[in-house]
Amino acid sequence: DADVTQTPRNRITKTGKRIMLECSQTKGHDRMYWYRQDPGLGLRLIYYSFDVKDINKGEISDGYSVSRQAQAKFSLSLESAIPNQTALYFCATSDPLFGKFFGPGTRLTVL
Amino acid sequence: KNEVEQSPQNLTAQEGEFITINCSYSVGISALHWLQQHPGGGIVSLFMLSSGKKKHGRLIATINIQEKHSSLHITASHPRDSAVYICACRGNQFYFGTGTSLTVIP
Repeated sequence: DADVTQTPRNRITKTGKRIMLECSQTKGHDRMYWYRQDPGLGLRLIYYSFDVKDINKGEISDGYSVSRQAQAKFSLSLESAIPNQTALYFCATSDPLFGKFFGPGTRLTVL
Repeated sequence: KNEVEQSPQNLTAQEGEFITINCSYSVGISALHWLQQHPGGGIVSLFMLSSGKKKHGRLIATINIQEKHSSLHITASHPRDSAVYICACRGNQFYFGTGTSLTVIP
């Protein structure tokens, strides 16, 4: 079984809709991240959390919100999706000793 | 400004060739990661290193902290090595390179 899972894997939605992307991990890591990837650009950090009660904005947090429901779960929400949020979204966990682990990605298309 | 620069951006090699991908960074880091992203999109961490050299099978990663430079080498390349290779630096946050797209031709 995968250590980091994301649901859904693919989603097509319309402008203005609310979307939630979910991430679960079995690594037992405290640190979790949400990134988006666009063609020609590196991974860009949206939000990160170092603990259940800790939420931090990344470099491109506008238009997004997150919820850390438990150590194992970190959800990303788009309150009102817009076309330029079309991208590949990755959830990741990390541990200072053992490195970084990525989910399989969610391909989101906003029409 | 890019804190992490990779070269080359694209690389095509014949099967069996020795491949080197370079990463230079400008920030202070505690560790450097090499990631592999397959055409399907999934990302796998290949190495995490903070000094010296690591080897897994045909893959070798080196880092020179003083020169702020890391290299990823692939020996005896194979078509299944075709992927995007991403350098990521862990400082007070993670900084990502834009990736090197490798195609290995049979």
